[in-house]
Amino acid sequence: DAKTTQPPSMDCAEGRAANLPCNHSTISGNEYVYWYRQIHSQGPQYIIHGLKNNETNEMASLIITEDRKSSTLILPHATLRDTAVYYCIVRVDPLKPGGSYIPTFGRGTSLIVHP
Amino acid sequence: DTEVTQTPKHLVMGMTNKKSLKCEQHMGHRAMYWYKQKAKKPPELMFVYSYEKLSINESVPSRFSPECPNSSLLNLHLHALQPEDSALYLCASSQGQNSNQPQHFGDGTRLSIL
Repeated sequence: DAKTTQPPSMDCAEGRAANLPCNHSTISGNEYVYWYRQIHSQGPQYIIHGLKNNETNEMASLIITEDRKSSTLILPHATLRDTAVYYCIVRVDPLKPGGSYIPTFGRGTSLIVHP
Repeated sequence: DTEVTQTPKHLVMGMTNKKSLKCEQHMGHRAMYWYKQKAKKPPELMFVYSYEKLSINESVPSRFSPECPNSSLLNLHLHALQPEDSALYLCASSQGQNSNQPQHFGDGTRLSIL
């Protein structure tokens, strides 16, 4: 399985950009990078995913390095409601032995946005 | 708001009770999942249904019994649970088990075993 490494916690001032890093040095071929977040007492919420190119949607931007060994999730203007645990997940190629696109959650990064 | 609906939101039961958790989605997804999440830990996969058939069972004890009556519904039947089974149980769905489209999660059922 392609494993991910994230810092256990980060903090950010309200209104500033939050940049959440993720290392996935064993990523290969056609394995996508996904980001979810989990706000306290809710289920995980999908944010964004990408393969090679940078991606942007109404929630966030995803920057993937050219070698694909790491990525950064950017929340451009963090608000207090963005306080959550952020999970970076690499979904293993289902064509690999034992692979499937079912995400395996690591410990994630606990982001605290403060006033 | 979530497009995956789980009921009940909270459940307290004794170790000898039988209860069921329910999950419903109307997005036309053909894969549905049960996860268990303990406090301050990430979700752990329990079961996967693909086209209404059990596809993956992550060695879950038989006191947890999943059921997929149709493509929109997923149940988790509970019997003779232990206090350590107290957790948040999350349901998710996706277009297909091997689709690269993301999963959609419900807000879970918080289960307490007395």
